[in-house]
Amino acid sequence: DSGVTQTPKHLITATGQRVTLRCSPRSGDLSVYWYQQSLDQGLQFLIQYYNGEERAKGNILERFSAQQFPDLHSELNLSSLELGDSALYFCASSPRVLREQFFGPGTRLTVL
Amino acid sequence: AQSVSQHNHHVILSEAASLELGCNYSYGGTVNLFWYVQYPGQHLQLLLKYFSGDPLVKGIKGFEAEFIKSKFSFNLRKPSVQWSDTAEYFCAVGGSQGNLIFGKGTKLSVKP
Repeated sequence: DSGVTQTPKHLITATGQRVTLRCSPRSGDLSVYWYQQSLDQGLQFLIQYYNGEERAKGNILERFSAQQFPDLHSELNLSSLELGDSALYFCASSPRVLREQFFGPGTRLTVL
Repeated sequence: AQSVSQHNHHVILSEAASLELGCNYSYGGTVNLFWYVQYPGQHLQLLLKYFSGDPLVKGIKGFEAEFIKSKFSFNLRKPSVQWSDTAEYFCAVGGSQGNLIFGKGTKLSVKP
């Protein structure tokens, strides 16, 4: 157990819908990262927050957004979902930037 | 752009065989390097990390990796694999923004 929690574990939804994935970092970690894992793209970095502020963006679609709240938990919002958005979404946290990251169990999103 | 290349897509070994998984990265500056393992159905777990110092890094479960700067490599090794090492192994380099850039992963199957 890494100490990073993610909910829900599984999510099944339809195309065009909007979902929210939630992540709670390890106690004391200020940085939260979101990654998408799919068979064709592998593990791709989406976005990073540090102490409530967006720090870096990766291959994140405009339909996707995220935020980090004052209690440091983070949410990833995915809207206008397409079949290709089906993937595992991982959250990771680290005490500070440029250190090792600890991953949560992931949310498996299936878009039908 | 930074990238990570893992040479083998799938490696099949018998128990007690020695393991070496290749990883090459492209990045000209100071690098932070990582190996993560993903057991079937589970999240990514940190095996070992390199930030600086001794280029031979020891991790958990008997794994080690050697950083060879001149070859831009960070190969993972284990002298004797067990059936429980069956998993997918990911090499990653720390990006300049703190995110991780992952290789495509190597699936390891260990036959009992």
